[in-house]
Amino acid sequence: GAVVSQHPSWVICKSGTSVKIECRSLDFQATTMFWYRQFPKQSLMLMATSNEGSKATYEQGVEKDKFLINHASLTLSTLTVTSAHPEDSSFYICSARDVEGWSPLHFGNGTRLTVT
Amino acid sequence: GDSVTQMEGPVTLSEEAFLTINCTYTATGYPSLFWYVQYPGEGLQLLLKATKADDKGSNKGFEATYRKETTSFHLEKGSVQVSDSAVYFCALSVIQGAQKLVFGQGTRLTINP
Repeated sequence: GAVVSQHPSWVICKSGTSVKIECRSLDFQATTMFWYRQFPKQSLMLMATSNEGSKATYEQGVEKDKFLINHASLTLSTLTVTSAHPEDSSFYICSARDVEGWSPLHFGNGTRLTVT
Repeated sequence: GDSVTQMEGPVTLSEEAFLTINCTYTATGYPSLFWYVQYPGEGLQLLLKATKADDKGSNKGFEATYRKETTSFHLEKGSVQVSDSAVYFCALSVIQGAQKLVFGQGTRLTINP
């Protein structure tokens, strides 16, 4: 079945540095990918919709300059957490859907970010 | 705004027990409803879905019926197995094609042999 690969699975960084998370669709093309954030014991919150070849659409309350999203190809979207702070520590999950026909969203395994 | 509320976990059952995980929603328009499952160390997988009132989604012995009158989509299974241990997420989408999803907080289920 369709697979979405997310990398890295976990990362620890220092405050003030930037971290890039990759989301790849391995055997299908995705014009749209979604980035979610999950706090402990809470639901997944949609952060932004990543559109191939155009600007991402951010949900209300999500800082565009803080969470940079690039969707340069039909198989790759990246989320960069800039000038990370400890409050950015969270679990980030991407998802994607095949452009052809109706299919369910496929999710990556998530990235655990810890900012020290 | 749109929201999903799941019963709080964790839920611990013995093998072959009956399972119910409650899910209620609020939404503008006519949402599609989903249950996703996340096994340990893996990403979310679609378990079942229903796109209109009174539809029943089913998969792997799990069932859920779209109840518009009670705005509910409770997940049930008649006889759970150890392999069903996972986190279960109820979700809705009001955009055709299951694009943007609104998730419940997730319910961790543990099945003991």
